[in-house]
Amino acid sequence: EPEVTQTPSHQVTQMGQEVILRCVPISNHLYFYWYRQILGQKVEFLVSFYNNEISEKSEIFDDQFSVERPDGSNFTLKIRSTKLEDSAMYFCASSAGSTQYFGPGTRLTVL
Amino acid sequence: QKEVEQNSGPLSVPEGAIASLNCTYSDRGSQSFFWYRQYSGKSPELIMFIYSNGDKEDGRFTAQLNKASQYVSLLIRDSQPSDSATYLCAVTKETSGSRLTFGEGTQLTVNP
Repeated sequence: EPEVTQTPSHQVTQMGQEVILRCVPISNHLYFYWYRQILGQKVEFLVSFYNNEISEKSEIFDDQFSVERPDGSNFTLKIRSTKLEDSAMYFCASSAGSTQYFGPGTRLTVL
Repeated sequence: QKEVEQNSGPLSVPEGAIASLNCTYSDRGSQSFFWYRQYSGKSPELIMFIYSNGDKEDGRFTAQLNKASQYVSLLIRDSQPSDSATYLCAVTKETSGSRLTFGEGTQLTVNP
């Protein structure tokens, strides 16, 4: 059964550093998403991506964040200058329609 | 008012019982409704989705939707210890490509 994959599973970085989180969506899906979940809190939407452009973003997704689909398979989330409060689980999801399937997540720890 | 509200729990049921999880949403324009299961430290795993008023059954799981009351529920029959997890209710406004808005989840424990 096809699934969303994410790398790395855990990323530790220093405050102010740039990080890139990678995702490979399910191959025939057209819509891609990033969510985050701070420990003990609910899952929050960051951004959605369709047809090689951002279709929607939340207020969390400020200028420090960017997304890219650099080739036919990968979908990346870049955080330019990490802050302590960026520490969270980051989930990539993809969908062919409305039903979204989540990857295993990347745990980002900012020190 | 929270966009998606769930009983915070925790909810504890004995093995073999029916677990009932509830969710209300504030936006009447919501179109699609999802239940995800999340084990501690893991990602959300889709259990069921429902678009139309009424009941939808899949194995031991039944989702119920009442758009007039802005209410979604999930029933788990013959609960098993492996069902112990946090259950997340999520809604979208459109049928494709729209953000999921999650509730805070209900923690379910099934006691052997």
